[in-house]
Amino acid sequence: DADVTQTPRNRITKTGKRIMLECSQTKGHDRMYWYRQDPGLGLRLIYYSFDVKDINKGEISDGYSVSRQAQAKFSLSLESAIPNQTALYFCATSATGYTEAFFGQGTRLTVV
Amino acid sequence: AQSVTQLDSQVPVFEEAPVELRCNYSSSVSVYLFWYVQYPNQGLQLLLKYLSGSTLVESINGFEAEFNKSQTSFHLRKPSVHISDTAEYFCAVTLRATNKLIFGTGTLLAVQP
Repeated sequence: DADVTQTPRNRITKTGKRIMLECSQTKGHDRMYWYRQDPGLGLRLIYYSFDVKDINKGEISDGYSVSRQAQAKFSLSLESAIPNQTALYFCATSATGYTEAFFGQGTRLTVV
Repeated sequence: AQSVTQLDSQVPVFEEAPVELRCNYSSSVSVYLFWYVQYPNQGLQLLLKYLSGSTLVESINGFEAEFNKSQTSFHLRKPSVHISDTAEYFCAVTLRATNKLIFGTGTLLAVQP
């Protein structure tokens, strides 16, 4: 089984719909991250969490919210999806700031 | 603000030629530095990292990177590339004070036969 699992892997949704992307990890790490990847823009940090009670906004948090339900679970929500949120979304986890971050396989989201 | 710059969006190179992928970061305080690789249709994997000590770090598949504090650079090099090295490479930094992991825009390494 993968260390970091993202569901769904692909999703097409309509403008204005609410959608949740889920992430779970079996590494036992406290730190979890959500990024979006767009061609030519690299990975941009949306939200990050250092433990269940510590959630922080990243560079591009507008239009997104997160929930850290447990150490192993970190969900990303788009309250009202818009087309420019079409992107590849990655969840990641790490033990500390100087150790390897482990990434999920990504969720390809298309907003039409 | 902490940022990472990868000036080259694409680097085409012939097989067995040397390659250098450039990375510069902007920070006046201590950082941890990383290179990640993304093969097609996959997530990112750690290639190598610099935390402290020797400024030259190596990966198991022949890549190396050198930390240059005065130039705030962490360029990635390989003396002889293979077709299988074709991938997108991301430079990343963690600012020790905030522990945020920030990525550059990526460089697509395209190795041609």
